[in-house]
Amino acid sequence: EAEVAQSPRYKITEKSQAVAFWCDPISGHATLYWYRQILGQGPELLVQFQDESVVDDSQLPKDRFSAERLKGVDSTLKIQPAELGDSAMYLCASSYGQGTDGSPLHFGNGTRLTVT
Amino acid sequence: GDSVTQMEGPVTLSEEACLTINCTYTATGYPSLFWYVQYPGEGLQLLLKATKADDKGSNKGFEATYRKETTSFHLEKGSVQVSDSAVYFCALSDPGGDDKIIFGKGTRLHILP
Repeated sequence: EAEVAQSPRYKITEKSQAVAFWCDPISGHATLYWYRQILGQGPELLVQFQDESVVDDSQLPKDRFSAERLKGVDSTLKIQPAELGDSAMYLCASSYGQGTDGSPLHFGNGTRLTVT
Repeated sequence: GDSVTQMEGPVTLSEEACLTINCTYTATGYPSLFWYVQYPGEGLQLLLKATKADDKGSNKGFEATYRKETTSFHLEKGSVQVSDSAVYFCALSDPGGDDKIIFGKGTRLHILP
């Protein structure tokens, strides 16, 4: 079964440094999501793409976070500068439809970020 | 806005016990409801879903019924296995409301052999 690929699996960085995460969704999935999952909590949406366009980035801290999906396929999420509070699991997901139409989300295994 | 509330964990059961994990929701429109499961070290994966009132979603022995009158979508299984140990997330998508997918905080389930 096709999977959502994410890299790296783990990342340790010092505060004030830049860090980037990569995601390759399931082929043919137009919608891509980046979620942040703090330990013991549910995933919280950071940004949603429909093809190459941002549909929702209302919860993205835009002073330090950026996301792009230039060709409407893979995506990169960047943090600069990283802060201690950014330590979390960053999950990428994709769906065939828009998610809110009842299409299930397919998640990658995530990138666990630790900021020291 | 829309919200999902799940019972606090962890839940610890013996193998073959009955399981219920409670989930209630608040939504403006007519949401679709989901249960996702997260095994250790992995991302979330869809367990089951229901898209309208009175629908029952089922998979791998788990069931949940969409109850509009009580705004609930409780997850049930008649006989749990050690391999069911994971974190379970209730979620909703509400195109008539917040128009985004919202997850509960998750319930950790431990099954003892």
